[in-house]
Amino acid sequence: ILNVEQSPQSLHVQEGDSTNFTCSFPSSNFYALHWYRWETAKSPEALFVMTLNGDEKKKGRISATLNTKEGYSYLYIKGSQPEDSATYLCAFNGGSQGNLIFGKGTKLSVKP
Amino acid sequence: DGGITQSPKYLFRKEGQNVTLSCEQNLNHDAMYWYRQDPGQGLRLIYYSQIVNDFQKGDIAEGYSVSREKKESFPLTVTSAQKNPTAFYLCASSLQGVEPQHFGDGTRLSIL
Repeated sequence: ILNVEQSPQSLHVQEGDSTNFTCSFPSSNFYALHWYRWETAKSPEALFVMTLNGDEKKKGRISATLNTKEGYSYLYIKGSQPEDSATYLCAFNGGSQGNLIFGKGTKLSVKP
Repeated sequence: DGGITQSPKYLFRKEGQNVTLSCEQNLNHDAMYWYRQDPGQGLRLIYYSQIVNDFQKGDIAEGYSVSREKKESFPLTVTSAQKNPTAFYLCASSLQGVEPQHFGDGTRLSIL
């Protein structure tokens, strides 16, 4: 059974703090790794899709890295803002068909 | 605006009853997916479809059925064989390959 683990489960930071969380996934049959942000009462929103080992992607204050050989990805948020409060999901894609295996998410709360 | 529409937002099922959750997209996406979320769990894949008139079982397909007669529509039927249907259901769509998935707002199903 393929498993995707995210840590920590939840995180509370102050506005302005930088933070990061981890996604661990199977290192075999890798096709892509997705990151999504899911705000309360909204639908999940795609942040990044990463396919190459060593890949690094950035979107504003959020960035992500990928290590497919050891099976992990980090998501970084620089200078957290209250609007960054959300659950961050990672999902492993082991084939071209796009069916994803999701982790349980990291719930981030940013206090003003 | 292009997007994914799920209906209804809330649905109640009586014992022994089949219910159908609607998912429509106008993004011209080939692939569509149904996920289920339970408290403390990651999103789990129920069914997915890469093309009209074709679909595959995901990790938890038992007690569910789908159809894909039109590119825009991918309804999910929760049958009476699904013994624990109370959950939050999300529909998603994507272009083929490693493209990110776009999600609807979800349907919350409860048992009366």
